[in-house]
Order: sequence, then C-alpha cells, then structure tokens
Amino acid sequence: GENVEQHPSTLSVQEGDSAVIKCTYSDSASNYFPWYKQELGKRPQLIIDIRSNVGEKKDQRIAVTLNKTAKHFSLHITETQPEDSAVYFCAASETGNQFYFGTGTSLTVIP
Amino acid sequence: DVKVTQSSRYLVKRTGEKVFLECVQDMDHENMFWYRQDPGLGLRLIYFSYDVKMKEKGDIPEGYSVSREKKERFSLILESASTNQTSMYLCASSMNYEQYFGPGTRLTVT
Repeated sequence: GENVEQHPSTLSVQEGDSAVIKCTYSDSASNYFPWYKQELGKRPQLIIDIRSNVGEKKDQRIAVTLNKTAKHFSLHITETQPEDSAVYFCAASETGNQFYFGTGTSLTVIP
Repeated sequence: DVKVTQSSRYLVKRTGEKVFLECVQDMDHENMFWYRQDPGLGLRLIYFSYDVKMKEKGDIPEGYSVSREKKERFSLILESASTNQTSMYLCASSMNYEQYFGPGTRLTVT
C-alpha cells in the first residue's frame, strides 16, 4: 500500500516568516494530495489540495507544490500569523476511497 | 455547509465492554470513514464504506467492526474493548475526494 512520510514533526517560526512542510509518497498511482489543519481540540479541516495534473496551487498565503517525478509535495505558508499555529497533516489518495496520512507537523508561530 | 457529527465527544468504557461509536453526515456523501488518531502516528484508517451495507478494511481493522445500514450513518463497533483501543476516533465523509471530519470521540478504556 501507500506510505506517506512527513517532515518535520515540529516546526517553530517567527511571526511573519515562512513555513514549509514536506511529504513524500511511495505509490505513483496516487493522484490527489490534500493538506489538513487541526487546531488544538478541533477536527481536521481541509485547507488546500492538489491533483496530479497540476504542479502548484495557491490560496492567499498558502501554497502547495507537487513533484510527481520525485513523489513529493510541500505546503508553503507565507507571512505566518499566530493563528496558523496548529498540527498540519498531508495525505495521498488514488481513488478517493482510501487516504493515507502523514504523521503530522506541529507548527508554532512565535509572536 | 457539510456537517458530520459524532454521538459522543468523550467516552469511558471498561475492558471487555462492547462499544458503539456513531457518525452521521447530512450531505448525502457516498463515502464514510473511521480513523483513529494517536500522537506521533497521524490518522490511521480503520474501515471505510463507499455505499450502504458496503465496507472495506483499512490499515488497522483488527478488533473493530462497522455497520452502515443507512447512507447518512456509519457506526464503529468495538466488540470487546481493550486498553490499547484508548484513542481519539475520527469519522469522516467525502464526495469527490474532499473529506470532512467529525469532531472526534475521545475513548478511554480502563
């Protein structure tokens, strides 16, 4: 089956700096790569996703890049704010019926 | 706005008890999922269902079963709860790949 690895497990940045979280996947058949944000005590929420026919997608301060050849994808958050502090999960899916998640990155934005 | 609800936020059960966790979604989604979330392990899929009465095992189905009698409801059953099933359980539903999660049930088995 698919194996998704996520790094780093923890990340601290100063407010206003950028944060980058990276994931690798093993199954070249995976074609959908979502990112979820989970604030403390809350449910994971989809913040951005990318499909394998696209190399980059942006939504305001958040962007995701995908390198199909190398089988890795990354989440980029620019101009970080304290409310960006959360755990972020990447995932990969081929069919939309089964999702494989990374182990999560705890992001702390220091004011 | 998609709403996925779970029957309990917190649950304490004794070893050997039968435990039912209920999940309901209101958006007519075909796919529903049960995950458990443990620190350092991320979200691991227990079971998913792509239609009424249909189910597929995920990565960690041992000790669990599921039931989907109606499209909007997906139940997770622990036939005989054990202490190693103490965890956060998250339900999700999806359509066209996008998943929506419930608030989670923190289950403690003593």
